[in-house]
Amino acid sequence: QVQLVQSGAEVKKPGSSMKVSCKASGGTFITYAFSWVRQAPGQGLEWMGGIIPLFGTANYAQKFQGRVTITADESTSTAYMELSSLRSEDTAVYYCARGAAAGTLINNWFDPWGQGTLVTVSS
Amino acid sequence: DIQMTQSPSTLSASVGDSVTITCRASQSISSWLAWYQQKPGKAPKLLIYKASSLESGVPSRFSGSGSGTEFTLTISSLQPDDFATYYCQQSWTFGQGTKVEIK
Repeated sequence: QVQLVQSGAEVKKPGSSMKVSCKASGGTFITYAFSWVRQAPGQGLEWMGGIIPLFGTANYAQKFQGRVTITADESTSTAYMELSSLRSEDTAVYYCARGAAAGTLINNWFDPWGQGTLVTVSS
Repeated sequence: DIQMTQSPSTLSASVGDSVTITCRASQSISSWLAWYQQKPGKAPKLLIYKASSLESGVPSRFSGSGSGTEFTLTISSLQPDDFATYYCQQSWTFGQGTKVEIK
């Protein structure tokens, strides 16, 4: 059974960068899409981008283009999401989630999910 | 990009009630829709995929239907554990969420 374990909570200064990790265990890593979804306090779910490690190229939501970088390390079965130029509006819980069907970001659904990483951006 | 419009945003109901949440897509998505349940402080949990397929371990009181642009999630007999927020999702787009609260 696949499990995703994320790195711990962080506090960041405005203008800095954050990098969250998501380690997968119990299943095949490279052929599944790993997405990052964030949730600001009291708000809904927002997809940021995703990557299929086998292909190596990430896709990003237009809102985050230029500020987000998603990568995957096959050797450690870990996906990463880096967000730069942080502002207070980036305060959120960041989730990684694996696409349930192999090989695609499109027409897929998310299962399982990581436990979430709270990132607080504050001066 | 496809837009997903979910309604209502809040739903008040009692234990034992049957409730329905609707999700509309801005263009046809065939049956490529999933539903999630989220409780405070927890990650979303997959309930339904491909519009009507029940995820393993999810109680049978949850059901999904629809295709094309209109979809519904029905909880047939609301239980105390079901009070939560529900989201629909298509590819990389989520609905705005429906909070099911106790009447």
